[in-house]
Amino acid sequence: DAKTTQPNSMESNEEEPVHLPCNHSTISGTDYIHWYRQLPSQGPEYVIHGLTSNVNNRMASLAIAEDRKSSTLILHRATLRDAAVYYCILSFSGGGADGLTFGKGTHLIIQP
Amino acid sequence: EAGVVQSPRYKIIEKKQPVAFWCNPISGHNTLYWYLQNLGQGPELLIRYENEEAVDDSQLPKDRFSAERLKGVDSTLKIQPAELGDSAVYLCASSPDGWRQFFGPGTRLTVL
Repeated sequence: DAKTTQPNSMESNEEEPVHLPCNHSTISGTDYIHWYRQLPSQGPEYVIHGLTSNVNNRMASLAIAEDRKSSTLILHRATLRDAAVYYCILSFSGGGADGLTFGKGTHLIIQP
Repeated sequence: EAGVVQSPRYKIIEKKQPVAFWCNPISGHNTLYWYLQNLGQGPELLIRYENEEAVDDSQLPKDRFSAERLKGVDSTLKIQPAELGDSAVYLCASSPDGWRQFFGPGTRLTVL
């Protein structure tokens, strides 16, 4: 099974961009990259997903390396409400219908 | 749009007692998941339903855990008998398309 590696924690300042890295060197050609985040005392929340091309939505951007061995979740302007654990997850099939395999994620701390 | 509803939010029981958790997914979502989350860890899949069929229950400890989704809508997860190690947060999620999972707030179980 392809695995992801994320830093345990990161700190950023409010109103600045945040780049959250994820390494997945054993990713297969059909694995999609998903990002979820979990705010304190809440269930995880979908952020974004992609396969090869960079993706943008109202929450964030996903930048995928050309060789797909790494990706970066970009929060364009962090707020205090973005403080959460961010999970980078690979789905083993073509989509996310299978259950997701979460790691420990990156604990993002936002300083005011 | 109402989110995934779970009840109870908190439950404290003595070991060897039975316990049940209830989940009502978002209307129209055919796929339903149950996850377990231990403190400081990411969620782990227990079971996935497509409508009323359990299509992946390989991670469900079947000696004490059971689940049902009789009419393909709401679902119940049961533990009988509970053990100390079952203390965790039990999360329910649903998906409309196999790409995005929407999580409920979870039920925090404490086994004494």
